[in-house]
Amino acid sequence: DAGVIQSPRHEVTEMGQEVTLRCKLISGHNSLFWYRQTMMRGLELLIYFNNNVPIDDSGMPEDRFSAKMPNASFSTLKIQPSEPRDSAVYFCASSRGQGAWNTEAFFGQGTRLTVV
Amino acid sequence: AQSVSQHNHHVILSEAASLELGCNYSYGGTVNLFWYVQYPGQHLQLLLKYFSGDPLVKGIKGFEAEFIKSKFSFNLRKPSVQWSDTAEYFCAVIPNNAGNMLTFGGGTRLMVKP
Repeated sequence: DAGVIQSPRHEVTEMGQEVTLRCKLISGHNSLFWYRQTMMRGLELLIYFNNNVPIDDSGMPEDRFSAKMPNASFSTLKIQPSEPRDSAVYFCASSRGQGAWNTEAFFGQGTRLTVV
Repeated sequence: AQSVSQHNHHVILSEAASLELGCNYSYGGTVNLFWYVQYPGQHLQLLLKYFSGDPLVKGIKGFEAEFIKSKFSFNLRKPSVQWSDTAEYFCAVIPNNAGNMLTFGGGTRLMVKP
């Protein structure tokens, strides 16, 4: 298996533009986590899906952020409009079962987003 | 608020020194516990995990961690660090309650001097 695949690896965009980050889960996994990592705030959980259903989105910063799972193997995280403070590395992780209980989460390589 | 705490934000050691990184959590009940490592510029990789059984868990690259339930702790140890262990280390917890979310501590940056 190729692991969790994120695209793009790097994204540079201008403030106000829409940004879409993509994540492909490992085959057979049914839980998905989106994290954001910055120097100031560390690793923050943004949203968690189980079986395509958002279970907890309390970490999503504001309405500019939205995440979807259009099917069992794919997710998108959209920021519209983007702001410089959204600059961070965004990681996607997937696991089997309910959340990651009694299993482990596998992380993608991350998307480094820079908003100028 | 329930949380995961890593007390050491930055640690600097010389090669061959022993390492212990602290991790405490505040969730009651049953938990799954993890340590992840993030080498510079890379993604998070699993070092070791605890689900049940022997509270002393051995992971990859000579790392181990001990789950002490009474102290709500899961400290990471390595008897002798190498320069290649320079990385950021994250403790993570999944409480066995509704949601089963994987929650990370703030991370500890380890620098090993050659």
